[in-house]
Amino acid sequence: GQNIDQPTEMTATEGAIVQINCTYQTSGFNGLFWYQQHAGEAPTFLSYNVLDGLEEKGRFSSFLSRSKGYSYLLLKELQMKDSASYLCAVRVFSGGYNKLIFGAGTRLAVHP
Amino acid sequence: DAGVIQSPRHEVTEMGQEVTLRCKPISGHDYLFWYRQTMMRGLELLIYFNNNVPIDDSGMPEDRFSAKMPNASFSTLKIQPSEPRDSAVYFCASSLSLAGGDTQYFGPGTRLTVL
Repeated sequence: GQNIDQPTEMTATEGAIVQINCTYQTSGFNGLFWYQQHAGEAPTFLSYNVLDGLEEKGRFSSFLSRSKGYSYLLLKELQMKDSASYLCAVRVFSGGYNKLIFGAGTRLAVHP
Repeated sequence: DAGVIQSPRHEVTEMGQEVTLRCKPISGHDYLFWYRQTMMRGLELLIYFNNNVPIDDSGMPEDRFSAKMPNASFSTLKIQPSEPRDSAVYFCASSLSLAGGDTQYFGPGTRLTVL
């Protein structure tokens, strides 16, 4: 089966750095995405990794290790507005086509 | 571009009634997805279309659910008859492709409550 694991909740302090981990057991791996979802809103795209290594985009970075089935999202200089759920999603090739499988998400609370 | 448009934004109905959710994807996107999100099950793919043709409907819960895409700019998700366990937020998303870094853009969602 396809399985994606993320911590359910995390808390962090404004201005700090937080790392949100994602482990996956999937077949037909074809890329990994991170999405941000504020309460009551739609998910929005943050980052994409398909090769091993770190992708940096401003305050956000995402890392992938395909051999370990592991990714993390790193948020620096945390702001209150970063309080949201962060969804790890793996694209898999299965049955002749690609599809995106989402983890349950990690709820991040940033406090002053 | 206006982004993915969904209607209605909120729907409250009684068990047994028919519910129709609507979606207009981003112009030029060849892929359209319907997702359901609940606290218990997270974000689940129900069905997706490529060039108006259903490709994967393995996530559709049961025969009470049906989806259509009569043209490139419109899709519907219908539940008939609705049940309280169908209460969830239903998202429509669209993308250019399912390759490379092409991401899915989500609509604002329809919050469905079945009493």
